[in-house]
Amino acid sequence: DIQMTQSPSTLSASVGDRVTITCRASQSISSWLAWYQQKPGKAPKLLIYKASSLESGVPSRFSGSGSGTEFTLTISSLQPDDSATYYCQQYNSYWTFGQGTKVEIK
Amino acid sequence: EVQLMESGGGLVQPGGSLRLSCAASGFTFSSYAMSWVRQAPGKGLEWVSTISGDGDTTYYADSVKGRFTISRDNSKNTLFLQMNFLRAEDTAIFYCAKEVVVAGAYYFDYWGQGTLVTVSS
Repeated sequence: DIQMTQSPSTLSASVGDRVTITCRASQSISSWLAWYQQKPGKAPKLLIYKASSLESGVPSRFSGSGSGTEFTLTISSLQPDDSATYYCQQYNSYWTFGQGTKVEIK
Repeated sequence: EVQLMESGGGLVQPGGSLRLSCAASGFTFSSYAMSWVRQAPGKGLEWVSTISGDGDTTYYADSVKGRFTISRDNSKNTLFLQMNFLRAEDTAIFYCAKEVVVAGAYYFDYWGQGTLVTVSS
């Protein structure tokens, strides 16, 4: 099974800050990685697929990069609405999620 | 507009059974694989099961294999999850998710709002 590890588990940043979340796969997954945003009491929302492709309708301040085993999600200028938990997911072999990164606004 | 609406959750005793449904609209249901993903209270996301668009191919997480059965009725645009021999650790919000394929790989592009399953005596 492919394991996904995110870091950090939580982060606190100010509005306008550049924020980066890292996701590592236990083996190579090529670019078969997605990022989701989940707000409390809501369903996850797709942000990024194929490691760096922005889903339609998602603000351009979100971007993804990486391949193989190392991936990052970057929010270029943090906004109040970005307060949420973010999950990476590999879909190279079945589907596995990272444990999540909670982003808080200072 | 894609809509997914889960139902069927509730309180069940350990060892009991429950059948979840997911009503889909806004897309050609039979053309897409569908999945169930669960989230234990305060925890992360866990993939549970996936079924192909025609219903012929199914996949299960090891944690539910032999206890859960995924199925679909394409004439009614509905996805199901039959859950038997439920355990306390199955307590979770269960989401149905639509899959999309890009370059031969499948990921989830739309999710329902979820239905809560509580396994407790």
